[in-house]
Amino acid sequence: SAVISQKPSRDICQRGTSLTIQCQVDSQVTMMFWYRQQPGQSLTLIATANQGSEATYESGFVIDKFPISRPNLTFSTLTVSNMSPEDSSIYLCSVASGGARETQYFGPGTRLLVL
Amino acid sequence: GIQVEQSPPDLILQEGANSTLRCNFSDSVNNLQWFHQNPWGQLINLFYIPSGTKQNGRLSATTVATERYSLLYISSSQTTDSGVYFCAGATDSWGKLQFGAGTQVVVTP
Repeated sequence: SAVISQKPSRDICQRGTSLTIQCQVDSQVTMMFWYRQQPGQSLTLIATANQGSEATYESGFVIDKFPISRPNLTFSTLTVSNMSPEDSSIYLCSVASGGARETQYFGPGTRLLVL
Repeated sequence: GIQVEQSPPDLILQEGANSTLRCNFSDSVNNLQWFHQNPWGQLINLFYIPSGTKQNGRLSATTVATERYSLLYISSSQTTDSGVYFCAGATDSWGKLQFGAGTQVVVTP
């Protein structure tokens, strides 16, 4: 299984600011995803991070709010822009080494609190 | 997208008890996984099980793909089994997982 790290592990931010979250994997992976888990809720997919091209966003999520980069097969970033208290969530990246029919492994998550 | 329904929403168990968690899908899935989220928020993959039966220690899972449901069995529960159990499935060619609402499990000593 892949070893995934995320930075920062937690942060407290002021509304109107932006935070960039990093996801690093110890091996090359085909698929990388970003999920959001709002307090007391389940996980919701934000986008698929595509290496060398623009991310693919799910309904309700837009690039201006959640810009994503994936410069190579082991690293991705998610930025939460112009934050509001409603963005307070855990943000998790996940990876799959193969394609759709593969086990997905999740990073430890980034706990974000927006004041 | 697909709908994923988990039951029960909450479960309180005495240590040593057995339990069954259920996950229903609104459509056929090509990727089905069970996860355990511990009290610290870490999401641990338990099973990748789009069909068939698997066992790992005190945990086992069965997926009946033709009937669009999956079951997770916890036997001889321990306090460390506490947390939220999620099932998730994907129907597309990228593995985009749709998660259920989860089952909150509390195991008391």
